[in-house]
Amino acid sequence: QVTLKESGPVLVKPTETLTLTCTVSGFSLSNARMGVSWIRQPPGKALEWLAHIFSNDEKSYSTSLKSRLTISKDTSKSQVVLTMTNMDPVDTATYYCARFYCSGGSCVYWYFDLWGRGTLVTVSS
Amino acid sequence: DIQMTQSPSSLSASVGDRVTITCRASQSISSYLNWYQQKPGKAPKLLIYAASSLQSGVPSRFSGSGSGTDFTLTISSLQPEDFATYYCQQSYSTGFTFGPGTKVDIK
Repeated sequence: QVTLKESGPVLVKPTETLTLTCTVSGFSLSNARMGVSWIRQPPGKALEWLAHIFSNDEKSYSTSLKSRLTISKDTSKSQVVLTMTNMDPVDTATYYCARFYCSGGSCVYWYFDLWGRGTLVTVSS
Repeated sequence: DIQMTQSPSSLSASVGDRVTITCRASQSISSYLNWYQQKPGKAPKLLIYAASSLQSGVPSRFSGSGSGTDFTLTISSLQPEDFATYYCQQSYSTGFTFGPGTKVDIK
């Protein structure tokens, strides 16, 4: 069974650093047709893409949050880790990890085909 | 970054209605457009990828069309389980931007 599961603190204080882990099963982080993204959703609001890591370790970040984010992976542990520094109450959200998959022989079209259940992170003193 | 807009932001419809949601990109994204459905308290679910390809297991009443900057998600006959929020998302360039969502509720 192919799954992703987020883990991390439910509560962080302002200015602290958030560390979230996405543990995947049923597929390998070394598969060239797949990558993993972190996406968040503040309560009642829209989805916001944060960061992505591909099988070749290529990384990309949200332009607006780039200075605060770091994404990494440990293929042997099947884990992708996101750190976000200097947390603020506006960062309160459900944080999802999702598999980014490409279809077709030429691997042209990419989409988020599998998602974790998400983890709600509240930023409050 | 590419900006995505959706219209309407919300709509009320009845079971059996034909529903159309529009998504627009701030620049051409060819067919690099995906649609997701999200129900309260749940993770999004992929419906359509590459603008018009139906994800495996998704009912055929869902369809997508468009290319360039303008896209449409159509539900041919709304079912009770389709009341949810729908998001478009571009995969043309890094940023992988989502639209603001369209909430479909019961009339």
